[in-house]
Amino acid sequence: EAGVVQSPRYKIIEKKQPVAFWCNPISGHNTLYWYRQNLGQGPELLIRYENEEAVDDSQLPKDRFSAERLKGVDSTLKIQPAELGDSAVYLCASSMERTEAFFGQGTRLTVV
Amino acid sequence: GNSVTQMEGPVTLSEEAFLTINCTYTATGYPSLFWYVQYPGEGLQLLLKATKADDKGSNKGFEATYRKETTSFHLEKGSVQVSDSAVYFCALSDNSGNTPLVFGKGTRLSVIA
Repeated sequence: EAGVVQSPRYKIIEKKQPVAFWCNPISGHNTLYWYRQNLGQGPELLIRYENEEAVDDSQLPKDRFSAERLKGVDSTLKIQPAELGDSAVYLCASSMERTEAFFGQGTRLTVV
Repeated sequence: GNSVTQMEGPVTLSEEAFLTINCTYTATGYPSLFWYVQYPGEGLQLLLKATKADDKGSNKGFEATYRKETTSFHLEKGSVQVSDSAVYFCALSDNSGNTPLVFGKGTRLSVIA
């Protein structure tokens, strides 16, 4: 069974540029999460989707971050414009209703 | 709000040593508790979980008991192996489901032969 797939694995951009991350969850998983993991820290939830609806986006910095999950499957997380402090690993996870979450390998973003 | 505090690393042990990684939590209601592991170059994997007080989660020789009276969920293993070298995260969910929402900072474990 394929796991959660994220791309790209690594991304280096200059500050003020836009960047987008893509996540393909496990087939059949209706819940999708985006986390941000800063160096030496645990993951922090940015947004959670139930199907195509964002049910918890309280930690998403909405001035520069946006996310979408069209058709309740794949999801894209965007940052525009990126700042130096956005350098982190962005993790995507998925689960079926109220069950274990499975994580992708993450996208490591470096803003220079 | 909910929070998780786990012992800071890195922790370095010799093979076959006993491992304890402390984790305490602050939460309202009755959260579920988790230990996740991140091996080098890999994504986070669920190691074990407990959903109510006095439950013991176990997997791959690791154990943790949900202690409501001390708000703790310490991870233990009787005899570590080199292959256990990884970063371990304690986490909790709110009482609406099983999905981790709040993580500790992680503890890096290195096991040497």
